[in-house]
Amino acid sequence: KAGVTQTPRYLIKTRGQQVTLSCSPISGHRSVSWYQQTPGQGLQFLFEYFSETQRNKGNFPGRFSGRQFSNSRSEMNVSTLELGDSALYLCSTLGRKGNEKLFFGSGTQLSVL
Amino acid sequence: GQNIDQPTEMTATEGAIVQINCTYQTSGFNGLFWYQQHAGEAPTFLSYNVLDGLEEKGRFSSFLSRSKGYSYLLLKELQMKDSASYLCAVRDLSDYKLSFGAGTTVTVRA
Repeated sequence: KAGVTQTPRYLIKTRGQQVTLSCSPISGHRSVSWYQQTPGQGLQFLFEYFSETQRNKGNFPGRFSGRQFSNSRSEMNVSTLELGDSALYLCSTLGRKGNEKLFFGSGTQLSVL
Repeated sequence: GQNIDQPTEMTATEGAIVQINCTYQTSGFNGLFWYQQHAGEAPTFLSYNVLDGLEEKGRFSSFLSRSKGYSYLLLKELQMKDSASYLCAVRDLSDYKLSFGAGTTVTVRA
């Protein structure tokens, strides 16, 4: 059973550009959450999608957006990149029972120059 | 929302025991998780506590006191491979959203 797959693994962008990250969940998992991880800040929740609908949203500016497709794959987009957006972006999916552990992808390391 | 605190760093010797504390404040509690994250890798699940008490799983144990808003992760018989960041996360009752602490970096020395 394949795990959570995130692409690309590494990305380098410059300020003002936009970026799209992709996450393919474990087969059968319909909930996909996105987190931003920076040194000293820990994992900050961005948003969660379930059945193509945004179910939860964190405290991030509108430059951060996401969507989910009918096959549960999700994308997140960051527009007008800032230096502070440099981080590891992690995607996670929730086990079927809903009260279980999150399964994380390996993340996309984004560097904004 | 949640406010989650855990120490930034801890150092211990191979074969020793280390206890990582986590305190939290939440408007609605629906479970506490511990994750391990090695540098450059994804977090992996270690334990889940929703009721008070101790959950033991091999060399790792996790304890929860809901009345005190307190949990700890106990790592026994430390091995070099246990050097990693350990993340405490609390799930909110209203929206099932997970909030993470900043993580505790554990360094195991020979």
